[in-house]
Amino acid sequence: RKEVEQDPGPFNVPEGATVAFNCTYSNSASQSFFWYRQDCRKEPKLLMSVYSSGNEDGRFTAQLNRASQYISLLIRDSKLSDSATYLCVVNRPTGGFKTIFGAGTRLFVKA
Amino acid sequence: GEEVAQTPKHLVRGEGQKAKLYCAPIKGHSYVFWYQQVLKNEFKFLISFQNENVFDETGMPKERFSAKCLPNSPCSLEIQATKLEDSAVYFCASSQTGTGDHEQYFGPGTRLTVT
Repeated sequence: RKEVEQDPGPFNVPEGATVAFNCTYSNSASQSFFWYRQDCRKEPKLLMSVYSSGNEDGRFTAQLNRASQYISLLIRDSKLSDSATYLCVVNRPTGGFKTIFGAGTRLFVKA
Repeated sequence: GEEVAQTPKHLVRGEGQKAKLYCAPIKGHSYVFWYQQVLKNEFKFLISFQNENVFDETGMPKERFSAKCLPNSPCSLEIQATKLEDSAVYFCASSQTGTGDHEQYFGPGTRLTVT
């Protein structure tokens, strides 16, 4: 089992739809959590950091449930430009820290 | 600079040749990370540096891969005697801290093709 697991996807949704991505992590020592977006083999770019209190940025909402070791990303009112791969990224302390990437969930938003 | 810079963008090497990739972190960032992304989107951590010191090298295939971050020079990742399975995009990232609290900023990557 991988340390960070994501919905395999792909997700195909129409414009305007609400879509939710799920991510679970297996190591309870994990400390920091992020959603990154990666377009077509370009570099990953930070979408949101994820906090226990939940956080929202426009159409995007991220939630963290430490008890269930679960992270989610909700995208409301999907746009064509949201089409990308969404990566769940977890940092775990190791003395320094280790960064573990989920395999990514591909989203296609159709007109 | 304000962005992580990586050179070259593309690199083609015959099997057995050497490949050298470069990365300039964001100014003021002390931590540099190298990742390998192969076809199925999986990111593999290779090595990280705190300034010029190795921070974590647990992902590094030591037989053929080496990396350095020297003062006043771009960081480098070198692959001696490349193999077909080394074909991938190599991303460099930098971060302000080594505690894991801050996000990493990624460079545009170097696409290595080994033929």
